[in-house]
Amino acid sequence: DIVMTQSPDSLAVSLGERATINCKSSQSVLYSSNNRNYLAWYQQKPGQPPKLLIYWASTRESGVPDRFSGSGSGTDFTLTISSLQAEDVAVYYCQQYYITPFTFGPGTKVDIK
Amino acid sequence: EVQLLESGGGLVQPGGSLRLSCAASGFTFSSYAMDWVRQAPGKGLEWVSGISAGGGSTYYADSVKGRSTISRDNSKNTLSLQMNSLRAEDTAVYYCAKREGGGNGIFDYWGQGTLVTVSS
Repeated sequence: DIVMTQSPDSLAVSLGERATINCKSSQSVLYSSNNRNYLAWYQQKPGQPPKLLIYWASTRESGVPDRFSGSGSGTDFTLTISSLQAEDVAVYYCQQYYITPFTFGPGTKVDIK
Repeated sequence: EVQLLESGGGLVQPGGSLRLSCAASGFTFSSYAMDWVRQAPGKGLEWVSGISAGGGSTYYADSVKGRSTISRDNSKNTLSLQMNSLRAEDTAVYYCAKREGGGNGIFDYWGQGTLVTVSS
């Protein structure tokens, strides 16, 4: 199975400041035949189901604010919130869909400093 | 508007069985692969099982393989998960999730979840 790790476990950022979350996969999730990274990011607020933010490592889901961006390739990925808003307080998960079993990172909790 | 409504959760004794259902609406159900993802209390997300759009291909996490069966009824827009020989570690909120159109494991819509509690 592909193991996903995330860092940090949690972070507190001031409103309007940048938040950066890292995700690492135990093997590459880059499919060479189409040059796509099979990596998604989800946001989960308390008491709610996860919400898709980013897929193919850097494609923003429709309706997601452009302050959210994804980058990286192969085994190392980053989710960046360029200017943290109060409504961004949540747990963020990365997920690989390169191969089943699909696996998620342990999550990173983002709070306001 | 896409809606996924799970049901069937509840309290069950260890070794017992439960059948979860997910009623889908707002999209052409028969055209999309579907999955179950669970979340133990206070924990992260764990993919449980998936099924192709037509139902001909199914996939399971090792943690539930041999104890669970995923199925779908495209005439009724319903996804199901039959869970047997339940263990305490199966206690979780179970989410029904729709995959994006390409069939890749990108979960673009999620239900609100149904809680399964395995305890004596």
